[in-house]
Amino acid sequence: SQQGEEDPQALSIQEGENATMNCSYKTSINNLQWYRQNSGRGLVHLILIRSNEREKHSGRLRVTLDTSKKSSSLLITASRAADTASYFCATDAGGAQKLVFGQGTRLTINP
Amino acid sequence: DGGITQSPKYLFRKEGQNVTLSCEQNLNHDAMYWYRQDPGQGLRLIYYSQIVNDFQKGDIAEGYSVSREKKESFPLTVTSAQKNPTAFYLCASQLARGETQYFGPGTRLLVL
Repeated sequence: SQQGEEDPQALSIQEGENATMNCSYKTSINNLQWYRQNSGRGLVHLILIRSNEREKHSGRLRVTLDTSKKSSSLLITASRAADTASYFCATDAGGAQKLVFGQGTRLTINP
Repeated sequence: DGGITQSPKYLFRKEGQNVTLSCEQNLNHDAMYWYRQDPGQGLRLIYYSQIVNDFQKGDIAEGYSVSREKKESFPLTVTSAQKNPTAFYLCASQLARGETQYFGPGTRLLVL
């Protein structure tokens, strides 16, 4: 079962620009998490946002959550070449203690 | 050094062979997870365990088996019944509900 769907599937921007990725999901959630994956590596946690929160920041990252639209967005400001990676959203929808991951957005930052 | 380790980094399987992927964590987390990732795709849940000596099937458990005899260890066996095992396998652990999952570096399984 695939809960989260990221949009776009791929994004290519110039260094210094902002990157926005979106995640939509189908059912009510307890929380939504964003992860980054560099090629061939494990996932690294970025931000967790709970269902009663609307926005969270961490350094150059900003995550918003709109539970009425069942969607979240991840904004990376002032992008750097090192931000090149795949980004995944994952939802905790209650019931069993597990996350459901989306297909990811492949972000490429061009120098 | 706290974290999750997976071994080996690369694993080769011959047809009809069972192979076991190792996952160890020293984070004192109760819950552990196994995911499969195919090229360009997201993660799909194979099995998970919320406590020692207990585990549940995920979305794609067929052809796989696990055990959870110790809190620190959650090995995954890819059996000969799994006809398309070539993939990147990721192990994760979680302290409690609503917390972050921490991932290991992954094992890439290839079929000879």
